[in-house]
Amino acid sequence: DGGITQSPKYLFRKEGQNVTLSCEQNLNHDAMYWYRQDPGQGLRLIYYSQIVNDFQKGDIAEGYSVSREKKESFPLTVTSAQKNPTAFYLCASSIDKQGNEQFFGPGTRLTVL
Amino acid sequence: DAKTTQPTSMDCAEGRAANLPCNHSTISGNEYVYWYRQIHSQGPQYIIHGLKNNETNEMASLIITEDRKSSTLILPHATLRDTAVYYCIVRALGFSGGSNYKLTFGKGTLLTVNP
Repeated sequence: DGGITQSPKYLFRKEGQNVTLSCEQNLNHDAMYWYRQDPGQGLRLIYYSQIVNDFQKGDIAEGYSVSREKKESFPLTVTSAQKNPTAFYLCASSIDKQGNEQFFGPGTRLTVL
Repeated sequence: DAKTTQPTSMDCAEGRAANLPCNHSTISGNEYVYWYRQIHSQGPQYIIHGLKNNETNEMASLIITEDRKSSTLILPHATLRDTAVYYCIVRALGFSGGSNYKLTFGKGTLLTVNP
């Protein structure tokens, strides 16, 4: 089945530790995105990548880092510099570089203790 | 992107049509209306989008008023699995080098389908 996978679904970390969230897609989509969702809120864009080896900051990039070494993979690292890391993290991809019709993964719920 | 207004919540009986309204009175000529939904604790799911003509796909129909200031998403025969938060998003079709790549989600409408 084609789709976007994120792992793990639930992740717990101690404060001060970096953690990397996985996002893989086999849809052959060019563009990939990371969003953050807080309870009762909409989605906010963290980073996006329109092509391999290139990525851009979104609205709330501080405390996060990404890489795009392969078309199918776009991992997100939540660093200790992120003040409020506990959230639901969503990865998405789109077949075009302009972000039309974005397809989302199941999400990773990160809790920092 | 233009601002959208949606009711906070709606109920619908199983098997009946669910009509979800969205107001977007400041929509620009080049902005599309997108609908996504999010079932609890899952990623959002794309439903449909349109510019000015009515659109239909296997999931839903989108009716856009002639002045484009409002639209309605119609789920023709709602099931319990359609219970979700439905987001109406207005954005210009993205173009290379522009800043329209992101989707701006508001709070949406919680649709509850009752047995």
